[in-house]
Amino acid sequence: DTAVSQTPKYLVTQMGNDKSIKCEQNLGHDTMYWYKQDSKKFLKIMFSYNNKELIINETVPNRFSPKSPDKAHLNLHINSLELGDSAVYFCASSQDRRPETQYFGPGTRLLVL
Amino acid sequence: QKEVEQNSGPLSVPEGAIASLNCTYSDRGSQSFFWYRQYSGKSPELIMFIYSNGDKEDGRFTAQLNKASQYVSLLIRDSQPSDSATYLCAVNRNQGGKLIFGQGTELSVKP
Repeated sequence: DTAVSQTPKYLVTQMGNDKSIKCEQNLGHDTMYWYKQDSKKFLKIMFSYNNKELIINETVPNRFSPKSPDKAHLNLHINSLELGDSAVYFCASSQDRRPETQYFGPGTRLLVL
Repeated sequence: QKEVEQNSGPLSVPEGAIASLNCTYSDRGSQSFFWYRQYSGKSPELIMFIYSNGDKEDGRFTAQLNKASQYVSLLIRDSQPSDSATYLCAVNRNQGGKLIFGQGTELSVKP
């Protein structure tokens, strides 16, 4: 039974398109995150929600818009995709914002052509 | 200066040897420290975390923290080929669970 799941696993699209990535966790956690890992494996946090409230909003282009309909789901919508958006996007969740409980999903590999 | 720095490697050790992975951080307000292992094409998985100065052991893994020197390390004893992966160091400043990662060290354990 998957703890943190993401859909789709792979996404290949053209520049300028709009796409969404979905994340769901069944761990009962109250905090969810989006991270971006670039081609050099550098992993950087983008957003975090706690009980559906945005608590971390890093310096990310406003083409990226997260949305948390409930504690178990966190989606990421990206408008006007650019070549530099190509990366692996990881969703993660934790309990009570405790980093030692943070668990990562399998990742979504986005390639913008 | 990057907030968390690691040697990118690759670090190559023979099977059975001790692998030593190092990490430095710039913010003295950092409160907790984490080591993640990431196999190629997979997601990061937490292997160790440490809050206090000194050593913390878990099986073949030992995390070492020196806050005065702003240095954290991970030792892997009796290294196995299955330990070959990228090891990510991360720190937390108690900001809503936010983890700041280093660029990772690629470890290769040769049979």
